[in-house]
Amino acid sequence: DTGVSQDPRHKITKRGQNVTFRCDPISEHNRLYWYRQTLGQGPEFLTYFQNEAQLEKSRLLSDRFSAERPKGSFSTLEIQRTEQGDSAMYLCASRRTSGGRETQYFGPGTRLLVL
Amino acid sequence: QKEVEQDPGPLSVPEGAIVSLNCTYSNSAFQYFMWYRQYSRKGPELLMYTYSSGNKEDGRFTAQVDKSSKYISLFIRDSQPSDSATYLCATAGGTSYGKLTFGQGTILTVHP
Repeated sequence: DTGVSQDPRHKITKRGQNVTFRCDPISEHNRLYWYRQTLGQGPEFLTYFQNEAQLEKSRLLSDRFSAERPKGSFSTLEIQRTEQGDSAMYLCASRRTSGGRETQYFGPGTRLLVL
Repeated sequence: QKEVEQDPGPLSVPEGAIVSLNCTYSNSAFQYFMWYRQYSRKGPELLMYTYSSGNKEDGRFTAQVDKSSKYISLFIRDSQPSDSATYLCATAGGTSYGKLTFGQGTILTVHP
């Protein structure tokens, strides 16, 4: 257990529905990242927060995706009008700014299946 | 072409074997190099972290980085069945805000 938690762990939804995932990072970590991992691939970067500010978004993050980190603590990732291609594992990771180490700690992931 | 290339395997070895896992990368700005281990249906866990070129050893694991050839390696000595997992190389650096760029992952099976 890295100390990063994600909820739910699994989500099955029908195409066109909206889904929201939550990530609780390690408490002293001010940087938070979302990644998406499809079967047989490594995780791909989606977006990054430093405290409550969203500083970078991947081109993978279409208009249907939105992420927030309202108080610089937990974060949510929402997918609107889900498509079958959104089926993947959604991973959250956190790290501290200080120390210079680019060490990110990952949560267990939320596995999404869109039918 | 992907920024980080990793042979997906799968790789199957007998218990006790030495395992060599490799990645190549294309972005010269990458300065930080990591190996993560991922068990089935779990999140990646950090195994090794290296800054710039050089070797790092931790128990049965040795990570090597050769920035001149843009080559990253992980060696596992005396491999155990519990080492069976997917191994992901990852890099970061430049102006990327610390975002990680991963290889595809290599599936390793160590059989008794």
